[in-house]
Amino acid sequence: GESVGLHLPTLSVQEGDNSIINCAYSNSASDYFIWYKQESGKGPQFIIDIRSNMDKRQGQRVTVLLNKTVKHLSLQIAATQPGDSAVYFCAVMNSGYSTLTFGKGTMLLVSP
Amino acid sequence: GAVVSQHPSRVICKSGTSVKIECRSLDFQATTMFWYRQFPKQSLMLMATSNEGSKATYEQGVEKDKFLINHASLTLSTLTVTSAHPEDSSFYICSARDGLQETQYFGPGTRLLVL
Repeated sequence: GESVGLHLPTLSVQEGDNSIINCAYSNSASDYFIWYKQESGKGPQFIIDIRSNMDKRQGQRVTVLLNKTVKHLSLQIAATQPGDSAVYFCAVMNSGYSTLTFGKGTMLLVSP
Repeated sequence: GAVVSQHPSRVICKSGTSVKIECRSLDFQATTMFWYRQFPKQSLMLMATSNEGSKATYEQGVEKDKFLINHASLTLSTLTVTSAHPEDSSFYICSARDGLQETQYFGPGTRLLVL
């Protein structure tokens, strides 16, 4: 079955720093990848996604990198702000099964 | 972006009672809805997938007779926790997907506390 893990359970950064959150997945058939942000007591909020035919995608202050060779995904947040403090989950999907598998989550703590 | 709502946002009930949670897609038609459960400091665990007008597909280990799911319309799915027990206390989150896209949009979650 699919397993999705994160290397760092907690990441503490200073405001203005760039943050990098990593995620490893196990199923080479995974072809759709999403990063979600979850604030305390709330549901996950979509941040950015990427498909397996791409290795990089940029959004506003966020970049997702995909390395299919080593089955690794990362989320980069530029100029991290206190409002970015939350738990970040990667989620992967095999389009053939149409269900998301979530990673364990990384808590990002941003100090002013 | 697409908006998904849940009601109630939190509920406290006595052991043995049943609780119904509603999930609505507000600005799109959700051909598929998903129900997740999340315990403190843990990830989201998929409980079941429901397609409008058909029976839900439950993940392994999830009791279908305990967690009743109804997806009667393209904008509403309900999860009923029957005969709730304290161990059912958790954060229940639904998500919905427009059949034309793969992106899932999540509701704000429902905090259930069973006393």
